[in-house]
Amino acid sequence: DAGITQSPRYKITETGRQVTLMCHQTWSHSYMFWYRQDLGHGLRLIYYSAAADITDKGEVPDGYVVSRSKTENFPLTLESATRSQTSVYFCASMWLAGPTDTQYFGPGTRLTVL
Amino acid sequence: AQKVTQAQTEISVVEKEDVTLDCVYETRDTTYYLFWYKQPPSGELVFLIRRNSFDEQNEISGRYSWNFQKSTSSFNFTITASQVVDSAVYFCALSEWSGANSKLTFGKGITLSVRP
Repeated sequence: DAGITQSPRYKITETGRQVTLMCHQTWSHSYMFWYRQDLGHGLRLIYYSAAADITDKGEVPDGYVVSRSKTENFPLTLESATRSQTSVYFCASMWLAGPTDTQYFGPGTRLTVL
Repeated sequence: AQKVTQAQTEISVVEKEDVTLDCVYETRDTTYYLFWYKQPPSGELVFLIRRNSFDEQNEISGRYSWNFQKSTSSFNFTITASQVVDSAVYFCALSEWSGANSKLTFGKGITLSVRP
């Protein structure tokens, strides 16, 4: 199916465990993003990537690691999960090619850290 | 530091009413981008519009229109003849694509309820 997918959609883990959230897009968009959404904070950018092997920090990168070896995949890893990382995580992709460009979001992953 | 303020937290209207969602931003950059997103009750995020700081033309797309005014640092969103399906949380956002520390800053969102 064309589009942007995230897996898993729901995840419960324990403090201290490593967790990887997957993001896959089928459009070959250059830009990809990870956000987290929390009540009272809205959406905050964690990391973004302008192309394969090019990543950079957003507003709240601490505790997270990303990689992008292939254009279509942009996994987000929580190296040692903490309760404060309980959130809904959204992945997005975008061409950033001009005035009609569009950013597409995945369906989100709801992560609970116990 | 960049900032986005959506002063309205909740708006309730009756179907067919027009409604305007306000967005005020702060930035020191001369080049920046403004966005609006919609998040319906199902939870997905839907991109509505992206506008760069050099383009102050108003945009109309069906029942949706956007008014960008640099003089007042505002990027307001109007829904004409609202419908129940417009019920959602609407986020305004600002980005400064200026290199290593590019940030996308969202407002807190406005919850719009459209009653039949």
